Amino acid sequence: SAVISQKPSRDICQRGTSLTIQCQVDSQVTMMFWYRQQPGQSLTLIATANQGSEATYESGFVIDKFPISRPNLTFSTLTVSNMSPEDSSIYLCSVGLSETQYFGPGTRLLVL
Amino acid sequence: ELKVEQNPLFLSMQEGKNYTIYCNYSTTSDRLYWYRQDPGKSLESLFVLLSNGAVKQEGRLMASLDTKARLSTLHITAAVHDLSATYFCAVDDGGSQGNLIFGKGTKLSVKP
Repeated sequence: SAVISQKPSRDICQRGTSLTIQCQVDSQVTMMFWYRQQPGQSLTLIATANQGSEATYESGFVIDKFPISRPNLTFSTLTVSNMSPEDSSIYLCSVGLSETQYFGPGTRLLVL
Repeated sequence: ELKVEQNPLFLSMQEGKNYTIYCNYSTTSDRLYWYRQDPGKSLESLFVLLSNGAVKQEGRLMASLDTKARLSTLHITAAVHDLSATYFCAVDDGGSQGNLIFGKGTKLSVKP
């Protein structure tokens, strides 16, 4: 399995500002994923981040709003830009390892 | 477009009873995952099903996969209160990146 940490664990932000979420994994992985889970809802994939290449975004998510970095095989960041209350969600990173995907603890974001 | 449907979405059970959660998906896939999520927590990987006819069991939970019917089941035997959680199935979309498409989740409540 993989041990995944995320920072911050939670935050309250003002609309119009940006927040960068960090994801650290304890082993080198090729694939890292960012998901959003809106309150009481299921998970929706935002983008896939591979080291050394640009992230691949799912329909409805754009790089200007959710820029992603993947500087090495153990780390990634997701920025939520120009936030609005609709961005209030849990943001989770996950990694693909040994035929499964493991999830980080999530970042709980509230935008006022 | 791959769609994943779970039912029921809500399930209230008495302790000691058996029940089954169903997960249907719309296009061919050979990988299906079951996760558990406790309130305010991240996702815990329960099972990874990789082939037609795969069956896995852990304690009171048993998962199976029928790729021809595009159906997976999560069977709960003699439920106990500790199994109360939300259970998600997720299907690999078959692309090169291993993206997962999640069902809406089944919120299980086991009452004493």
